[in-house]
Amino acid sequence: DAGVIQSPRHEVTEMGQEVTLRCKLISGHNSLFWYRQTMMRGLELLIYFNNNVPIDDSGMPEDRFSAKMPNASFSTLKIQPSEPRDSAVYFCASSLRGVIGQPQHFGDGTRLSIL
Amino acid sequence: AQTVTQSQPEMSVQEAETVTLSCTYDTSESDYYLFWYKQPPSRQMILVIRQEAYKQQNATENRFSVNFQKAAKSFSLKISDSQLGDAAMYFCAYRSSLYNFNKFYFGSGTKLNVKP
Repeated sequence: DAGVIQSPRHEVTEMGQEVTLRCKLISGHNSLFWYRQTMMRGLELLIYFNNNVPIDDSGMPEDRFSAKMPNASFSTLKIQPSEPRDSAVYFCASSLRGVIGQPQHFGDGTRLSIL
Repeated sequence: AQTVTQSQPEMSVQEAETVTLSCTYDTSESDYYLFWYKQPPSRQMILVIRQEAYKQQNATENRFSVNFQKAAKSFSLKISDSQLGDAAMYFCAYRSSLYNFNKFYFGSGTKLNVKP
């Protein structure tokens, strides 16, 4: 079975540019989580969705960040405009809500470098 | 909110020996789930083991086992017969058992070095 698929795997862009990170959930999963990982701050939850509905976006750093789930199997995380301090590894993870105790399954992450 | 604490930023173990990684958590809930994830240099997050709080028996997965002390709110990971491939960051995570609360709380991680 295919796992969580993230694209791109690496992204290098200049400050001020729009960045779009993509995530495809595991088939049948209905919860989606976006994380950011840096050496300084560790693993931070940015936002999560249940059944395409954003439940908790308190971790989104600022208005430059936005996340959407246009359908049940796909999500995007956008940063506009991007800044060097946004450089990090971004993970998405999916889970099956409604089945108690389900783990989160992570994608391979996108390493984002903002110059 | 629940908090998860990993007090050992880095640890080392000799190949073939046993190492224990510590994790404590704070919660007012009586039922919940605890997880250990492994993140090797390839940066994948891999589920290692899961423990259900209402089960007294400690979970085991091959060379990996946990010591779950519910009263002490402690959830340590024991790796037996350590192998070079065990070198990674290890994260402890907490999840509520409540239906709508499937948010995970992660610790800050412990970097495990395995010496040949």
